[in-house]
Amino acid sequence: GAVVSQHPSRVICKSGTSVKIECRSLDFQATTMFWYRQFPKQSLMLMATSNEGSKATYEQGVEKDKFLINHASLTLSTLTVTSAHPEDSSFYICSASGWPNTGELFFGEGSRLTVL
Amino acid sequence: QQQVKQSPQSLIVQKGGISIINCAYENTAFDYFPWYQQFPGKGPALLIAIRPDVSEKKEGRFTISFNKSAKQFSLHIMDSQPGDSATYFCAASMNSGGATNKLIFGTGTLLAVQP
Repeated sequence: GAVVSQHPSRVICKSGTSVKIECRSLDFQATTMFWYRQFPKQSLMLMATSNEGSKATYEQGVEKDKFLINHASLTLSTLTVTSAHPEDSSFYICSASGWPNTGELFFGEGSRLTVL
Repeated sequence: QQQVKQSPQSLIVQKGGISIINCAYENTAFDYFPWYQQFPGKGPALLIAIRPDVSEKKEGRFTISFNKSAKQFSLHIMDSQPGDSATYFCAASMNSGGATNKLIFGTGTLLAVQP
């Protein structure tokens, strides 16, 4: 199956700093990428949907100025957590779909963010 | 309307037994129903998926049963093994018109298979 790579897998930062997480589709072109957030022992909550070359669509309750999403190419999307605070500590997971659309989403391995 | 309800929250099965996880949805526009397996600290991995034009799909030890009229679908894991111990999520999405729409995930089931 298609491979989606996330980097970094773990990151620890100080409160008030910004952190960037990269999501790459390694062997296919991802027309749409999704960013999810997962708290311990909970389900995946969709944060935003991004299409290459256009602005991301954020889910209700997700602060677009705090979670900046860029999808500049068909193989790369980035999530930047700005001015991170301890409550932003979470597991962030990206997923990607290719073309033609089969409905299947390919997930990255996730990035564990810890804000001190 | 966008919710996918999943049960049970946790499940303990003996090695060799059958694990059954159930999901229900409300939105009749959903047309794609995947199941994902997630190990701790990892992203979810697609196990098996079904579309509403069939009532059952089997891949190895994994089977999805789909009841369109009841708006329910379930995952059956036959001959459960300790290596199957993980969290399982059902999901649903609409994929009409050639565009990929967002997956709505169930709440997850933590499966423990005892040796």
